[in-house]
Amino acid sequence: AQSVTQLGSHVSVSEGALVLLRCNYSSSVPPYLFWYVQYPNQGLQLLLKYTTGATLVKGINGFEAEFKKSETSFHLTKPSAHMSDAAEYFCAVPRQFGNEKLTFGTGTRLTIIP
Amino acid sequence: DTGVSQNPRHKITKRGQNVTFRCDPISEHNRLYWYRQTLGQGPEFLTYFQNEAQLEKSRLLSDRFSAERPKGSFSTLEIQRTEQGDSAMYLCASSLVRGTGRNTEAFFGQGTRLTVV
Repeated sequence: AQSVTQLGSHVSVSEGALVLLRCNYSSSVPPYLFWYVQYPNQGLQLLLKYTTGATLVKGINGFEAEFKKSETSFHLTKPSAHMSDAAEYFCAVPRQFGNEKLTFGTGTRLTIIP
Repeated sequence: DTGVSQNPRHKITKRGQNVTFRCDPISEHNRLYWYRQTLGQGPEFLTYFQNEAQLEKSRLLSDRFSAERPKGSFSTLEIQRTEQGDSAMYLCASSLVRGTGRNTEAFFGQGTRLTVV
């Protein structure tokens, strides 16, 4: 089964600084990959997804992620953090190739410092 | 609002009691999923339905758990004889799957937070 590892359970950045949240996947074939955001006491909202094609994926709220097969990574970035970005972020991969049921990483809580 | 709706949002129950949660998916979506999320963890897959058929159950879904989707629309998740370890956020998601199911986005509800005391 495919899995993802999120490095860093907590990340703090200053408002206006670069946001970098790390995700590595374990798969022998390029998987589909997803980033979800969860605000306190809320469900999950899809930020962006990689399926096939362009390796740089742009999502909502100014976030983007780059699929790097050589590094088995799918890190999430945003050039300039905003206070409203404070939330928990989850990387996810289908449990089996071509299967839409998801396996999530353990999450990274992003704190924005004013 | 045509998103995924879950009720109740919060439930506090005494150990040993039964609880039932409801999920109303996006109306045209044929697949419905249940996930459980404990504190500090990512969501874990529990089970899913294709229309009214329950196609897969995770090993996390013990005999005390049962899920139904009787008419292929809303779904219920029941936990019998609740235990403190059942305390978690229960998330429902739905998607519209055609063909192989690839490139499918799952839309999540806001979840039901269960506290067993």
